[in-house]
Amino acid sequence: DQQVKQNSPSLSVQEGRISILNCDYTNSMFDYFLWYKKYPAEGPTFLISISSIKDKNEDGRFTVFLNKSAKHLSLHIVPSQPGDSAVYFCAGVVWTGNQFYFGTGTSLTVIP
Amino acid sequence: EAGVAQSPRYKIIEKRQSVAFWCNPISGHATLYWYQQILGQGPKLLIQFQNNGVVDDSQLPKDRFSAERLKGVDSTLKIQPAKLEDSAVYLCASSPGQGAGGELFFGEGSRLTVL
Repeated sequence: DQQVKQNSPSLSVQEGRISILNCDYTNSMFDYFLWYKKYPAEGPTFLISISSIKDKNEDGRFTVFLNKSAKHLSLHIVPSQPGDSAVYFCAGVVWTGNQFYFGTGTSLTVIP
Repeated sequence: EAGVAQSPRYKIIEKRQSVAFWCNPISGHATLYWYQQILGQGPKLLIQFQNNGVVDDSQLPKDRFSAERLKGVDSTLKIQPAKLEDSAVYLCASSPGQGAGGELFFGEGSRLTVL
């Protein structure tokens, strides 16, 4: 049962433009959501989070939007840089059990 | 602050052989996770420990996989006997504990290739 889905396996964007990565979920019990970034041969690293009671969280070039009615969240990267090229995972979290559910990832390529 | 340590980084074995992976979480983190990440897929939870007790092992193939976390600190994940489909990266992660919020901290992973 895939509770978190990322339907786009890959995305290519020109340097300086906006990257938009999407994520859908089915579990309405998630308390917050996270985005992770993963480079090859490294473990995923935390990027940004958003509480389920918020609709937007911003951190520098990264903004996450949450649409609870649509059970959809998106990560915006503006402007995109070549160093942003990585696989991005979204995750939903059930607070009480400290349970993390990951999507399948989107591979972002930022073209110089 | 030291991160999550995992070893070995890479392991190649033949099917039906056994393998063990070790993880040392961030000091003081009560919750430890083992995830399996197959190429092109997201991390899939195998087992979650809270201190030295198992919280969730519903997706652990118990006929061949086992894990323990003695003394509530470091942990080992064992596969015996290995199958071809076990080829994956095994990620260990830790977090401060239940209800603590925040994120998971991942190790660099142990890449297993089963021939």
